[in-house]
Amino acid sequence: EVQLVESGGGLVQPGGSLRLSCAASGFSFSSYSMNWVRQAPGKGLEWVSYISSSGSTIYYADSVKGRFTISRDNAKNSLYLQMNSLRGEDTAVYYCARGDDFWSGYSYVDYFAYWGQGTLVTVSS
Amino acid sequence: DIQMTQSPSSLSASVGDRVTITCRPSQSISSHLNWYQQKPGKAPKLLIYAASSLQGGVPSRFSGSGSGTEFTLTISSLQPEDFATYYCQQSYSTSCTFGQGTKLEIK
Repeated sequence: EVQLVESGGGLVQPGGSLRLSCAASGFSFSSYSMNWVRQAPGKGLEWVSYISSSGSTIYYADSVKGRFTISRDNAKNSLYLQMNSLRGEDTAVYYCARGDDFWSGYSYVDYFAYWGQGTLVTVSS
Repeated sequence: DIQMTQSPSSLSASVGDRVTITCRPSQSISSHLNWYQQKPGKAPKLLIYAASSLQGGVPSRFSGSGSGTEFTLTISSLQPEDFATYYCQQSYSTSCTFGQGTKLEIK
């Protein structure tokens, strides 16, 4: 059974840092890309960051570029999100999600088939 | 970034109703469109990927269609467990984006 379990959330002051972790099990972690997606209280979903299976390709949303760093340790089946210079607008539940893809006949379509339960990050003084 | 616009933002319907939610990206995304269902306090759940492919374990009353700049999610006969918020997502660009969500409520 595929499982993704996030940890590391909590209360942090503006300007502070936090490191989120996502422990993966039930699949070959090193074969899949991974993502972080967040959801502010009462709001919709916002993609945050992507990392390829090897870690060689990384993307960020403009809202976190330069402040957040995604990484992974395939030997430990773990995904991380280092969050620095945190702001109030970063307050959200953070989900890790496995990247899957589907060959449509002429291109690969990416989607998130598995999600963790989320970890809440609150940025407040 | 590609903007995703869902309509309606909210919808009241009854058990047994047929419901359609529309998603329009700001540019053509071919079939790079996925649909998710989210219930309060829970992680999103994948329903449809690549515009029309049903994720395993998802009831057949859910279906997706469309390509390019207009997509629809249809629930053929609403069940009590279907009342939730639905999101579309484009994965055409490296920065994927979600629609604002459609909250489906019981009439």
